[in-house]
Parts: sequence; C-alpha cells; structure tokens
Amino acid sequence: KNQVEQSPQSLIILEGKNCTLQCNYTVSPFSNLRWYKQDTGRGPVSLTIMTFSENTKSNGRYTATLDADTKQSSLHITASQLSDSASYICVVRGGSARQLTFGSGTQLTVLP
Amino acid sequence: DTEVTQTPKHLVMGMTNKKSLKCEQHMGHRAMYWYKQKAKKPPELMFVYSYEKLSINESVPSRFSPECPNSSLLNLHLHALQPEDSALYLCASSQLQGAGGTGELFFGEGSRLTVL
Repeated sequence: KNQVEQSPQSLIILEGKNCTLQCNYTVSPFSNLRWYKQDTGRGPVSLTIMTFSENTKSNGRYTATLDADTKQSSLHITASQLSDSASYICVVRGGSARQLTFGSGTQLTVLP
Repeated sequence: DTEVTQTPKHLVMGMTNKKSLKCEQHMGHRAMYWYKQKAKKPPELMFVYSYEKLSINESVPSRFSPECPNSSLLNLHLHALQPEDSALYLCASSQLQGAGGTGELFFGEGSRLTVL
C-alpha cells in the first residue's frame, strides 16, 4: 500500500532557529515528491518538487533533499521566521496509476 | 497569489439548503480536482475531472455533485448536507500526465463550509 509518513507531527521552535522536517514514503514506482506549505484555513502552496534524479533543491530559506534509495525526503528551514508557522505537507506521486499520496503534515510553530 | 480562484471563501448553510462552490483556473490545465480537508488533516480527494469528464469519484455521497462546464471552471453543488460535511473544500488543477508536466497540483485558497 502506498503510504507517506511525516515526522514530527508538530514542532515548536524559536524565531531564527533552523529545523528539519522528515518524510518517508513507500510509494512505488516513484514519480516525484513535493513539499507544500499550508497556512491555517488557506490552500497549500508548493515549495519545491523533487524528481528521481534530484538530491537537493533550494527555494530561498527552504532546502529539500531526496534519497530515492531509502525513500526519504527532508525539508530544512533556515533562520525561521514567524511567517513560517504553518503545516508542511509531503505529497508523493507514483504507484501504478501515478496517483498522489498525501502525508499527514507537520505543524510548525515559530515563536518570537 | 494563487492562479486558482475559489468562491465563496466562506459559506454557511443549513441542512436543507442548496448551494454551490465555484473554482476557476486559466493556466490551461486539463485536470481539475476537488478535495475535502478537515482540521489538522491532509486533504482528501473527492473528484477528478480530465478533459471536462469525470474520471475519479472517490465514493463521495450524492449530496455532493460536481460539474465541469468547461476547461476553466469546476463547480461543486451541495444539497442536503450534514454538519459533519463542514470542512475546507479545496479546488486544484494540474497538467495531465503525459503532457510533459510533473502533474503538480496548484491549489486554490479554499472555501470554508459550515453546515448548521
């Protein structure tokens, strides 16, 4: 069964600190993996998309990594800001029908 | 700013009301989606339209009725809803698989539905 598991479920950090969110998946065959940021009550916004051949991709203070061998991805946030407080969702496209499988998200809270 | 526009942003309705949620995109995407999202949960797929044809219905109750009038518009008609249907309803669009794209979803801001 295709699954995407994210950890931790929630995370609280102080403004200016770095943090790393994890995503493990069992989706096979793998097509791509995306990280979305979702503010409370808003629609998810794409941060980055990783394909099989990509190991690292950055988008400003966000850096995503992908290890297709171990089926793991991480999202590293540098110098966190209050506006980074949101849910971060890992979504993997793959499987026999190339469907999307959503993780449950990590709720990040950045405190001043 | 999102390129997928949803209206209304908020909707409160009674269980006997009939209402509609609307979604519009002008990115030329030929796949459009409806998702339902409860608090602190990931979005759950409801319907997928490909080339204006319903291609996936995830066993959604008939009180939810989707409609795709053209390649840019997607509606969700609501009738006789239950309080447990209260949620954030997200519309999304993407290029179709095999169209040279990654199939990345572009989400709208969502419509917050409250059923009394």
